[in-house]
Amino acid sequence: IVLTQSPATLSLSPGARATLSCRASQNINSYLAWYQQKPGQAPRLLISDASNRATGIPARFSGSGSGTDFTLTISSLEPEDFAVYYCQQRSTWPPTYTFGQGTKLQIK
Amino acid sequence: EVQLLESGGGLVQRGGSLRLSCAASGFTFSAYAMSWVRQDPGKGLEWVSAISGSGANTYYADPVKGRFTISRDNSNNTLFLQMTSLRAEDTAVYYCAKDFHFDTSGYFASWGQGTLVIVSS
Repeated sequence: IVLTQSPATLSLSPGARATLSCRASQNINSYLAWYQQKPGQAPRLLISDASNRATGIPARFSGSGSGTDFTLTISSLEPEDFAVYYCQQRSTWPPTYTFGQGTKLQIK
Repeated sequence: EVQLLESGGGLVQRGGSLRLSCAASGFTFSAYAMSWVRQDPGKGLEWVSAISGSGANTYYADPVKGRFTISRDNSNNTLFLQMTSLRAEDTAVYYCAKDFHFDTSGYFASWGQGTLVIVSS
């Protein structure tokens, strides 16, 4: 299963609303996660099962979608939100988990 | 607090072997599946392998099947990845990651800081 993220780069100002997309090459139900990665750091889980926020993740992060089209929304960007975001699917069995290529969210 | 500390990375020649370790603390290690995920420098993420909490079930991505072996020592809270027949395309930062469940759920709840493996030709 191939995950395609868009856009590759998103330039926004603090306080703006960010909408990141992830499209799967086939139906993955709701088996999708979102991760945030900052330079020099490991990824951090934000969302699992398309819309469940991980422990400690602020409410400004929300996920939606099912089937093949998914969205990560950041309602009002904070300075610490500028990073690379990856989607990841866990739909297949036996496991062949795959990640999208990432969306870089940068300050405008 | 969950802590995962990888070690064992380094420079190795093509065709060589390397063993990565991940020391875990802050949770009941044997109750959770664990995975290795790698990241080609400057590029994206690739899941490599997973193992259930007991170690009975193991899973591998196609590019490493037959060359890499995942294992764990629950008495010492340590995860391993034995890598053989290394290729240039195995060059990456290798992360260990904690799962949500006893057997792999496919979601990576916590990550270590990674260890760099460079395969030279």
